[in-house]
Amino acid sequence: GESVGLHLPTLSVQEGDNSIINCAYSNSASDYFIWYKQESGKGPQFIIDIRSNMDKRQGQRVTVLLNKTVKHLSLQIAATQPGDSAVYFCADNPSSGTYKYIFGTGTRLKVLA
Amino acid sequence: DAGITQSPRHKVTETGTPVTLRCHQTENHRYMYWYRQDPGHGLRLIHYSYGVKDTDKGEVSDGYSVSRSKTEDFLLTLESATSSQTSVYFCATLADSTLNEQFFGPGTRLTVL
Repeated sequence: GESVGLHLPTLSVQEGDNSIINCAYSNSASDYFIWYKQESGKGPQFIIDIRSNMDKRQGQRVTVLLNKTVKHLSLQIAATQPGDSAVYFCADNPSSGTYKYIFGTGTRLKVLA
Repeated sequence: DAGITQSPRHKVTETGTPVTLRCHQTENHRYMYWYRQDPGHGLRLIHYSYGVKDTDKGEVSDGYSVSRSKTEDFLLTLESATSSQTSVYFCATLADSTLNEQFFGPGTRLTVL
């Protein structure tokens, strides 16, 4: 796989602690939001999604929160593990029906042993 | 990974030469995408396709063209490569069942000298 040496904001978290990764979006018409995880040398992988008519959605160890008032999205990872170390991207679909997703610049999560 | 392969995986070329990158999928997904990934910019959409012979521009389409003559193949062509097109290129498809989850290929690292 491929990766790039991204100069990204970095979040360092102790193993076992909870992580919170934040994302701001700009288009108030966006109707769909997705979080992806990109491990070194690989393409992004889908983690969880949320529709604009929801404010919270839970998955396995992950929770996404959506605050449409301030156009903010967060990804919470419970009991962070070494395997969670990666770059995390949010993406949104600003034009309903076109499926042209716009990605954020990403946050690097480092899990400290 | 939705059976997505990209070729070549690495390429070094010279300014002014044409380059074609190939994306092949085995899941018959309708939507296919080409992104580029650069430090500080995350993933940016170049072009996408919503069916055979149906394509549309993304955020950074200048200098790129695409073709989709079969469902399984989506080609990205740099007509005359420039150094600013040095990047990692990712192909993706969109799950037909949900129209939210994108599956990404392993990426192609392109260097234009």
